[in-house]
Amino acid sequence: EVQLLESGGGLVQPGGSLRLSCAASGFTFHIYAMTWVRQAPGQGLDWVSSISTSGDDTYYADSVKGRFTISRDNSKNTLYLQMNNLRIEDTATYYCTKWSRFSVGSDAFDIWGQGTMVTVSS
Amino acid sequence: EIVMTQSPATLSVSPGERATLSCRASQSISSNLAWYQQKPGQAPRLLIYGTFTRAAGTPARFSGSGSGTEFTLTISSLQSEDFAVYYCQHYNNWPPIFTFGPGTKVDIK
Repeated sequence: EVQLLESGGGLVQPGGSLRLSCAASGFTFHIYAMTWVRQAPGQGLDWVSSISTSGDDTYYADSVKGRFTISRDNSKNTLYLQMNNLRIEDTATYYCTKWSRFSVGSDAFDIWGQGTMVTVSS
Repeated sequence: EIVMTQSPATLSVSPGERATLSCRASQSISSNLAWYQQKPGQAPRLLIYGTFTRAAGTPARFSGSGSGTEFTLTISSLQSEDFAVYYCQHYNNWPPIFTFGPGTKVDIK
């Protein structure tokens, strides 16, 4: 079964740090780019960050650039998101997603984890 | 920066009726447009990619269309399990950025 399982969420004070992990199984992890998407309580979906298959190329939303770092360990089939200098507005459920390029002009997130909740509050 | 909007914010439909959801881009975009369905307490699920193509497991009553700045998700005959929030999403090749619309909630009339 294809599966993504996030962990690492929790309650943290503003300015604090958290590291999210996403364990992948059921597919060939190292041949797919991966992405983090977040959703604030009661709000819509926001793209956070993506990483290439090798990990050499990383991309970030402006709202997290310089504070978050995406990485992956293909030997462990695991995706990470290091979140530093957290702000109250980073409070959200963070989803790990598999980025599939079905063809030129057809990029989408076809597998999603169940999400992990991050709460930034004093 | 491309901004995606969706209308209406809420669509009230009776089971068996047709639902038409709109997604608009602030400028002309490629066909790299996807649709997702999200039910309460669940992760989103991919329905459509590349504007038209149904993802694996997506029922045939879901169809996507559009070009330029206007895109549409049509549900031909709403079933009880289709009441949910629907998001469109565009991928810009360079710089690589994914942009979601704010969502349309389809609820029971």
